[in-house]
Amino acid sequence: GDSVTQTEGLVTLTEGLPVMLNCTYQSTYSPFLFWYVQHLNEAPKLLLKSFTDNKRPEHQGFHATLHKSSSSFHLQKSSAQLSDSALYYCALRWGSNYNVLYFGSGTKLTVEP
Amino acid sequence: ETAVFQTPNYHVTQVGNEVSFNCKQTLGHDTMYWYKQDSKKLLKIMFSYNNKQLIVNETVPRRFSPQSSDKAHLNLRIKSVEPEDSAVYLCASSDRASNSDYTFGSGTRLLVI
Repeated sequence: GDSVTQTEGLVTLTEGLPVMLNCTYQSTYSPFLFWYVQHLNEAPKLLLKSFTDNKRPEHQGFHATLHKSSSSFHLQKSSAQLSDSALYYCALRWGSNYNVLYFGSGTKLTVEP
Repeated sequence: ETAVFQTPNYHVTQVGNEVSFNCKQTLGHDTMYWYKQDSKKLLKIMFSYNNKQLIVNETVPRRFSPQSSDKAHLNLRIKSVEPEDSAVYLCASSDRASNSDYTFGSGTRLLVI
């Protein structure tokens, strides 16, 4: 069935270093891919999403590119900030299932000084 | 203020009791969802309603029952709670007609003792 895989459960980085969080997917149909961020005791919030026209989405310095050939939508940022410490979810949605989002297992990012 | 509102924020109860959680959205969306976020932070869809009609019901124990009076409200009742029901229950909404993004509530944290 359709699924999203995030291989890293925990990522710890030093401030200023680049961030890359992995996300791969399996889908029968052409899916839409999303990244959500959840700070401690807050609601998950949309960070960015894939576009159908292959534009690279960017938000708050983060970007991700949908690669259909490798079924991936990795999240990247050139320089980590302390405020980026949070839980990051990759999610998949395909329209024929009533717009339901299916989430990966999440990656907890900790940025240290 | 337009958002997704959940009550209560936190609830402690004993095994075997019945609990109810409320969710209201003021975004004018036509679809609402219940997700369960467990102790390992796995985020899984439970139910989805579109215009008061149940459209998605993932594999959820029968003691869970959603209730929707109108498209702005989606409540969740759990009859006879079990210890494994301890989790954060997140309500979300989106607009299927316009293919809008999800907005999440801040969650109800349930502790079953």
